[in-house]
Amino acid sequence: DIVLTQSPVLAVSLGQRATISCRASQSVSISSINLMHWYQQKPGQQPKLLIYRASNLASGIPARFSGSGSGTDFTLTIDPVQADDIAAYYCQQSRESPHTFGAGTKLELK
Amino acid sequence: EVQLVESGGGLVQPGRSLKLSCAASGFTFSDYNMAWVRQAPTKGLEWVASISYGGSNTHYGDSVKGRFTISRDNAKSTLYLQMDSLRSEDTATYYCARRGSSGYFDYWGQGVMVTVSS
Repeated sequence: DIVLTQSPVLAVSLGQRATISCRASQSVSISSINLMHWYQQKPGQQPKLLIYRASNLASGIPARFSGSGSGTDFTLTIDPVQADDIAAYYCQQSRESPHTFGAGTKLELK
Repeated sequence: EVQLVESGGGLVQPGRSLKLSCAASGFTFSDYNMAWVRQAPTKGLEWVASISYGGSNTHYGDSVKGRFTISRDNAKSTLYLQMDSLRSEDTATYYCARRGSSGYFDYWGQGVMVTVSS
């Protein structure tokens, strides 16, 4: 199985940039298609798709969210961080079954 | 508006069975692959099973293979998860999710809680 590694916690100040990383145990890219996706989950709510195929903003998601990366290293950036962005963030790969998730990064206020 | 509404959760004893349902609306259900994803209390997300739009292809996570069965009724726009031989480690919130073309989950239901305990 492809293992996705995320840092458990990231502390940021409001108005600053948050950079959340996800490292895969093997490449999740096929040619130029990066099969890595990002979700936001607030307490008591279902996950919400933020970014698909590494860098594409999902419908209705604010432009302060962006994604980048290829191969095994991917990044979700939030700039600037707002109070409403305090949540857990998960990466997910669809390169190989099982389509695994990272353990999640909790974004906290510094 | 896309809506996914799960039902059928509850408290069940180890070794027993439970069947979850997910009623879909706001899109052409038969055009989309679907999936179940679960989340144990205070834990992360775990993909459980997926099914193709026509229902002919199914895939399962190793932890549920042989015990869970995913199915769908396109005429009723409903997704199912039959869970047999339940274990305490199956205790989780189960989410129904629509799969996008590249394997991402673009819409999620609100989730239904399943508790396996004696």
